[in-house]
Amino acid sequence: GIQVEQSPPDLILQEGANSTLRCNFSDSVNNLQWFHQNPWGQLINLFYIPSGTKQNGRLSATTVATERYSLLYISSSQTTDSGVYFCAVPYGNNRLAFGKGNQVVVIP
Amino acid sequence: DAGITQSPRHKVTETGTPVTLRCHQTENHRYMYWYRQDPGHGLRLIHYSYGVKDTDKGEVSDGYSVSRSKTEDFLLTLESATSSQTSVYFCAISGQGVDGYTFGSGTRLTVV
Repeated sequence: GIQVEQSPPDLILQEGANSTLRCNFSDSVNNLQWFHQNPWGQLINLFYIPSGTKQNGRLSATTVATERYSLLYISSSQTTDSGVYFCAVPYGNNRLAFGKGNQVVVIP
Repeated sequence: DAGITQSPRHKVTETGTPVTLRCHQTENHRYMYWYRQDPGHGLRLIHYSYGVKDTDKGEVSDGYSVSRSKTEDFLLTLESATSSQTSVYFCAISGQGVDGYTFGSGTRLTVV
């Protein structure tokens, strides 16, 4: 099946710092999604980004489908950015395959 | 909120007992999914449904069964719970196309 790998697995940031999370996937896909799981466990859809770049406040994402990777940028990080970031790609009948996540801790 | 609820939110059960988790949606979405989340494994698909009475296995389906008798409800059953099924279970819904994927709040299940 399709493989999704995320790096780095763990990241500690000082508040205000910038960071980049990476997602590599093994097969060609027609879309990719990024989710954020907050420290209370809630999973929120951040981006649906089949290709190109999208911005949402301090977060932005870029997908280069031809090279099978996506990047999530966090700028001027805040403590509310803490949590786990998952990328996911579609396969089969309307299913998503998830990476293992990037655990991000932002310290004040 | 996207209109998806899971119940119960927390449950402790004994090894060997049956357990049923419920996912209820008010969005009339066709697709519903059950995932489990474990440290070091991310989210893994257990079972999913693509319509009433239409279900299929995911990557970690052993020991689990599902039923969907109406659009709004998707039940996950552990026929005989084992300690390896201690996990956090998430339900998700989507319409046609996965871009509208929405998760429930999760159920934390502990099997003792």
